[in-house]
Amino acid sequence: RKEVEQDPGPFNVPEGATVAFNCTYSNSASQSFFWYRQDCRKEPKLLMSVYSSGNEDGRFTAQLNRASQYISLLIRDSKLSDSATYLCVVNRDKLIFGTGTRLQVFP
Amino acid sequence: DAGVIQSPRHEVTEMGQEVTLRCKPISGHNSLFWYRQTMMRGLELLIYFNNNVPIDDSGMPEDRFSAKMPNASFSTLKIQPSEPRDSAVYFCASSLGVTFSYEQYFGPGTRLTVT
Repeated sequence: RKEVEQDPGPFNVPEGATVAFNCTYSNSASQSFFWYRQDCRKEPKLLMSVYSSGNEDGRFTAQLNRASQYISLLIRDSKLSDSATYLCVVNRDKLIFGTGTRLQVFP
Repeated sequence: DAGVIQSPRHEVTEMGQEVTLRCKPISGHNSLFWYRQTMMRGLELLIYFNNNVPIDDSGMPEDRFSAKMPNASFSTLKIQPSEPRDSAVYFCASSLGVTFSYEQYFGPGTRLTVT
């Protein structure tokens, strides 16, 4: 079993839709959490950190549930430019990356 | 501002050959990381350096892999001899701090194909 698990998708959604991605992690000693975005054949880039109280950055909302070892990312009002792979990342004295969830937004 | 610079961007080599990947981190960053990405295993940390000193190389697959950071502005990852299973995208990343809580900035990667 992988330490960070994500649904690989793809999620195909129309512009304007709301889409949610989930991620589970197995090591309760994990210290901090992130979502990275990776465009096709490009490098990963930090999208946002995830805090226990939940946090929002524009159309993006991240949630963390430490008891269930579960992280989520919600994207509202999807844009074509949101099409990418979203990587769930856990800091356990090193970054552990999920294999990513692919999102395709269509017109 | 220049980001993390990696070279070459693409490398095709034959099994048994030596491969050297190069990385220039962002100026002023204290930590440098080498990752490998494959479809099957995703992104995996190979080794990282703090202030040019290797801290954790437990992710290095085997003795065929070695990494150096002779100064704050340059690092290499060497594979000798290369094997087809080494085919992957190799990313270098750097960060300002010495813990994993700091944002890591990735280079564009080197796409390695070993035939």
